[in-house]
Amino acid sequence: EAQVTQNPRYLITVTGKKLTVTCSQNMNHEYMSWYRQDPGLGLRQIYYSMNVEVTDKGDVPEGYKVSRKEKRNFPLILESPSPNQTSLYFCASSPTGGVNGYTFGSGTRLTVV
Amino acid sequence: ILNVEQSPQSLHVQEGDSTNFTCSFPSSNFYALHWYRWETAKSPEALFVMTLNGDEKKKGRISATLNTKEGYSYLYIKGSQPEDSATYLCASNAGNNRKLIWGLGTSLAVNP
Repeated sequence: EAQVTQNPRYLITVTGKKLTVTCSQNMNHEYMSWYRQDPGLGLRQIYYSMNVEVTDKGDVPEGYKVSRKEKRNFPLILESPSPNQTSLYFCASSPTGGVNGYTFGSGTRLTVV
Repeated sequence: ILNVEQSPQSLHVQEGDSTNFTCSFPSSNFYALHWYRWETAKSPEALFVMTLNGDEKKKGRISATLNTKEGYSYLYIKGSQPEDSATYLCASNAGNNRKLIWGLGTSLAVNP
């Protein structure tokens, strides 16, 4: 089944403890992206990647890192999480990111205390 | 700054009613307009991606139209059913094929 697999679904962590949210797609998509969703705000892009080893900042990249060493994986790294990073995170992929629809992962609800 | 706006913010209809919502976006440097359906506790699911002025797409009881010159798109649901209850998001990547700007969505509740 074509899908974007995101883990974990839920995570509660403490301020400053490094964490990684994994994202993997099995559709050979070139484009992958991370979003965060907060109440009253639309989906905001954190980082995106056009292809392997090609990543770029979105609208809200501060406090996050990403890597794209393989086409299928696009992990989101929070080196030192803070409470303002408590949010619902989505990974999405698309064949090329242009006129193709995005396939979303199931989301990760992160709470930083 | 690019803004994508959706109206209404929320909508309650009775089963069987037909309904529609609006997405407005900057018309300059238009590239594509996306519609997604987002059910509670699930992830957004692509409905349509539209690129041509005057385009109309249909998927079952849901259809969408696009006017790129004036910068708006309508999403129509014919004969709403309770399972249509969801938030409907639109997004535009006008001028930049690598980045979508998202609206805040229209939350639809269909009462049986």
